[in-house]
Amino acid sequence: GAGVSQSPRYKVAKRGQDVALRCDPISGHVSLFWYQQALGQGPEFLTYFQNEAQLDKSGLPSDRFFAERPEGSVSTLKIQRTQQEDSAVYLCASSLPGADTQYFGPGTRLTVL
Amino acid sequence: KQEVTQIPAALSVPEGENLVLNCSFTDSAIYNLQWFRQDPGKGLTSLLLIQSSQREQTSGRLNASLDKSSGRSTLYIAASQPGDSATYLCAVLWVNTGKLIFGQGTTLQVKP
Repeated sequence: GAGVSQSPRYKVAKRGQDVALRCDPISGHVSLFWYQQALGQGPEFLTYFQNEAQLDKSGLPSDRFFAERPEGSVSTLKIQRTQQEDSAVYLCASSLPGADTQYFGPGTRLTVL
Repeated sequence: KQEVTQIPAALSVPEGENLVLNCSFTDSAIYNLQWFRQDPGKGLTSLLLIQSSQREQTSGRLNASLDKSSGRSTLYIAASQPGDSATYLCAVLWVNTGKLIFGQGTTLQVKP
């Protein structure tokens, strides 16, 4: 079956622009996670949804970052007024409720010039 | 603070060699520990998951061990092949957080 998909795969933005990154989880996966991976580093947790409820947003680095999952399936991570330090790969993962394993998408590589 | 550390950051070995990647973590109250593989430009692929009650897991040429009391895990790769070249990430799920904390990764190059 289809895995986790993310779009776009690559995004170049000028400093100050707003961007929106999309994640399509595996069908039936209740839990959805967003991670940020800087070059040469491991992924860092941003936020977590269970269905449409955002249960943990402790990893969002600033109020410029906003995530939503209005219908409990597709999720969008929005970054307002992008800055150079936002350049990273943004990974999305999904899992079944209570499951140990998270399934990761290919990521969106964001470059802010 | 709950942290995961991986050493070394990079490793280069000749084909056929057996090798060990190291992962250490603070706070032994873990739920599980997972090893992932990441190829350039790709997402993460789960290799092995060890529950807190287990001491090791094996899959083919890979063996992962867990020592909770010392806060350590190792990933053993037998008879390495050029196709094993990738970044290997260790991630811990702690009981009281529900979110994965990753190490920085070890980038492995296996030379033919």
